[in-house]
Amino acid sequence: AQSVTQLDSQVPVFEEAPVELRCNYSSSVSVYLFWYVQYPNQGLQLLLKYLSGSTLVESINGFEAEFNKSQTSFHLRKPSVHISDTAEYFCAVRAGFSGGYNKLIFGAGTRLAVHP
Amino acid sequence: DAGVTQSPTHLIKTRGQQVTLRCSPKSGHDTVSWYQQALGQGPQFIFQYYEEEERQRGNFPDRFSGHQFPNYSSELNVNALLLGDSALYLCASSPSLTNEKLFFGSGTQLSVL
Repeated sequence: AQSVTQLDSQVPVFEEAPVELRCNYSSSVSVYLFWYVQYPNQGLQLLLKYLSGSTLVESINGFEAEFNKSQTSFHLRKPSVHISDTAEYFCAVRAGFSGGYNKLIFGAGTRLAVHP
Repeated sequence: DAGVTQSPTHLIKTRGQQVTLRCSPKSGHDTVSWYQQALGQGPQFIFQYYEEEERQRGNFPDRFSGHQFPNYSSELNVNALLLGDSALYLCASSPSLTNEKLFFGSGTQLSVL
């Protein structure tokens, strides 16, 4: 069975500072990995994903995540955050093949609070 | 192009009652999944529907049931509501059963008193 651990429930940071949100997963099979963002009173939006190929994946708004198979991690980073990045971030895993179904296992989330 | 729409946005029920939540998938999507997000937690998979059949189910009791209609819209039904059922219920749609691209609605906030 797969599981996801987000190591920090809250991460406060000042605007324009770098940030890393940590995510570790466990799985006995190959996995697909995702980061979703949830702004207040909204549903989840896909931020970026790792399916295969390059272990470094990027989003259009400056976030990046690196898949590290040996450490079973998929940490999310941004070199310079903005106030608008304040949100809840969820790491999720899907087994590489689970009968063809796209069920996701989510972590508990990390609340990123960007202060001026 | 409308995204995933859910109704109602908020709902208040009392213990023992029954509730029905509704979801319309994004245009062109035929697969619908339901998730429960308790306060301070990540979403938990309830079940997934494709071709009007439940295809996979998470660790939820039989009080949770669903339906998918020919137009791909879906309903989530919860019977004999418990206080612990209070949560945000999220619907997600995808272009196909095997496609990893999930699009989420804004959810229905259910409060059980």
